[in-house]
Amino acid sequence: QKEVEQNSGPLSVPEGAIASLNCTYSDRVSQSFFWYRQYSGKSPELIMSIYSNGDKEDGRFTAQLNKASQYVSLLIRDSQPSDSATYLCAVNDGNEKLTFGTGTRLTIIP
Amino acid sequence: GAGVSQTPSNKVTEKGKYVELRCDPISGHTALYWYRQSLGQGPEFLIYFQGTGAADDSGLPNDRFFAVRPEGSVSTLKIQRTERGDSAVYLCASSHASGSGQFFGPGTRLTVL
Repeated sequence: QKEVEQNSGPLSVPEGAIASLNCTYSDRVSQSFFWYRQYSGKSPELIMSIYSNGDKEDGRFTAQLNKASQYVSLLIRDSQPSDSATYLCAVNDGNEKLTFGTGTRLTIIP
Repeated sequence: GAGVSQTPSNKVTEKGKYVELRCDPISGHTALYWYRQSLGQGPEFLIYFQGTGAADDSGLPNDRFFAVRPEGSVSTLKIQRTERGDSAVYLCASSHASGSGQFFGPGTRLTVL
């Protein structure tokens, strides 16, 4: 059973601070990794993808991947109230289907 | 439109009835996926199409579920003899290349009474 684990939260972060979201996965052959943002009542929105070890930055978002530790994280700098959402980690093992974690609910406190 | 579209947005049906859910992927995306999401859970994979063929249907829960994509674009997910446990949000996604990010439609909320 391939698993993707996330802390369900809620995670509360003051406005302007850095939010750190973590994810671990069980399948060592996993090849590509994604972070999705999901607002309440809406569908998941792709915000970051990462394929190799290290950091990938896009605006206020940084994804970090460590395949040896089977760990992927998402950092959100200068957190805004509009960042309040559930963040889903998803892993692709090369067979196209994504395995999702249950998501971390993030609340940015003004 | 530019994104994935799904119809209907909401579907309420009675136990035992047949339903069809439709997905129109992003133009040019050859890969199409169906997932379903229950409250408090991440999306759960159902089936993946590459072109017209179902490349992986390992996530379909049983033979009441079937999906087609006859012309390699629009897909229809068909559920026979619906059960209350089928109630969920059914999400469709598409992608342009193998291993790349998948883009989701708005979903169809299915409620089986």
